[in-house]
Amino acid sequence: DQQVKQNSPSLSVQEGRISILNCDYTNSMFDYFLWYKKYPAEGPTFLISISSIKDKNEDGRFTVFLNKSAKHLSLHIVPSQPGDSAVYFCAARDLYNNNDMRFGAGTRLTVKP
Amino acid sequence: NAGVTQTPKFQVLKTGQSMTLQCAQDMNHEYMSWYRQDPGMGLRLIHYSVGAGITDQGEVPNGYNVSRSTTEDFPLRLLSAAPSQTSVYFCASSRTGLTAKNIQYFGAGTRLSVL
Repeated sequence: DQQVKQNSPSLSVQEGRISILNCDYTNSMFDYFLWYKKYPAEGPTFLISISSIKDKNEDGRFTVFLNKSAKHLSLHIVPSQPGDSAVYFCAARDLYNNNDMRFGAGTRLTVKP
Repeated sequence: NAGVTQTPKFQVLKTGQSMTLQCAQDMNHEYMSWYRQDPGMGLRLIHYSVGAGITDQGEVPNGYNVSRSTTEDFPLRLLSAAPSQTSVYFCASSRTGLTAKNIQYFGAGTRLSVL
C-alpha cells in the first residue's frame, strides 16, 4: 500500500509564478518529511525537510507546509524558475522504523519561460 | 568529489541470469540503501545497511541479496532475474541512519531491463 501519495503526476506553471506541489500520507507514525528533486539521468537530491513538530519550514524560495491533522504537506516554490523543472518526490520517515523511508510517486514540474 | 557511484548505468539481462549492481561511496557514510523506482510508484526500499557487516530488509527485498563487507561498498545481487525486476535502481548513503539531520545522497541510478 502506498503510504505516501502525490496525486498530481504533473504540474505546469509560468516562470515567476508560484508552484505548489502536494503530498498526502496515511501513516500517523511518520515524524519527518522530506522533499527531493530529480533531474533526468540523475539521482534525487535533497531539497527541504520538516519535522512533525513544526508546521512550516522555509529555505530561500522553497517553503514546506505540514498539516498533521489532514496528513498533508505541500511544497511552495516562489518565484518559480525554468531551472526548477524536475520531478519532485515527497518522502516520509516512520518514527518507530527510522531506517525506512517511504516515497511518493513524484510530480513532474515544468516551469515555462 | 565522487559521492555515490553506481555501475553500470544500463544493463539488459535475460530471464534467469544473475548479476550484481555495484554501489560505492567515498564519504565514509555508515548507512547505505538500495531503492527501485517503477512508473507510477515512488522509490521503494529493497535493502539497507547501518554499517559494515550489518544488513536488513526493506519494503521489497524478495529476489535480491546484499552484503556489506566494507564501509564504502554495498553491492546488490539479483539471483535469478525476472521481468518484474525491470526497473531503475538507486543506491543512497547517509552519514548515519535516517535521523533528522542525516539526509541521503543518491547515485545516478542503474536502468535494468530483464527480457
